[in-house]
Amino acid sequence: DSGVTQTPKHLITATGQRVTLRCSPRSGDLSVYWYQQSLDQGLQFLIQYYNGEERAKGNILERFSAQQFPDLHSELNLSSLELGDSALYFCASSVATRASGGYNEQFFGPGTRLTVL
Amino acid sequence: QQQVKQSPQSLIVQKGGIPIINCAYENTAFDYFPWYQQFPGKGPALLIAIRPDVSEKKEGRFTISFNKSAKQFSLHIMDSQPGDSATYFCAASKSGGGADGLTFGKGTHLIIQP
Repeated sequence: DSGVTQTPKHLITATGQRVTLRCSPRSGDLSVYWYQQSLDQGLQFLIQYYNGEERAKGNILERFSAQQFPDLHSELNLSSLELGDSALYFCASSVATRASGGYNEQFFGPGTRLTVL
Repeated sequence: QQQVKQSPQSLIVQKGGIPIINCAYENTAFDYFPWYQQFPGKGPALLIAIRPDVSEKKEGRFTISFNKSAKQFSLHIMDSQPGDSATYFCAASKSGGGADGLTFGKGTHLIIQP
């Protein structure tokens, strides 16, 4: 168990709908990352937040958005859903420690499986 | 453009053998190279990571070898066990993985036969 929690575990919805995925980072971690995993694209970085502020953007579609709240939990909002958005969505959290040599080791949650019908 | 290329796509090894998974990167700004293990239905789990100022790192049965000039790194699993059967991903990032996400390879599906 990484200590990162994600809800819901599974989500089934229809094209055109909007959904919200939730992530709670490990205690003490200030950074939250969102990733998408699909068979054709593999694991892709979407976006990172650090202590409430957007820090880095990856291959995130304009239909997708995220935010990190003062309690450090994060939400990923996916709108105007398409069949191709069906995938596993992972959240990861990190903190740089002396043990990691100052590098940000990212720990992944169990994921949310999104199915768009 | 695939920035991290991983091979092989799949690998079958007998128990006790040493599977080797290779990765090559293109972006010389990468300075942090972790390996993740993923079981079906689970999230990727951090196995071991290396920085470019080190040529080799061992943690338990897992070893990373790093060749900075060739821009390649590899994972070796010593005394492999059936429980090691999983998908393995190499990754890379800039800024020590801080202000940046991880760029992943496509993954290697490893099967350790009893």
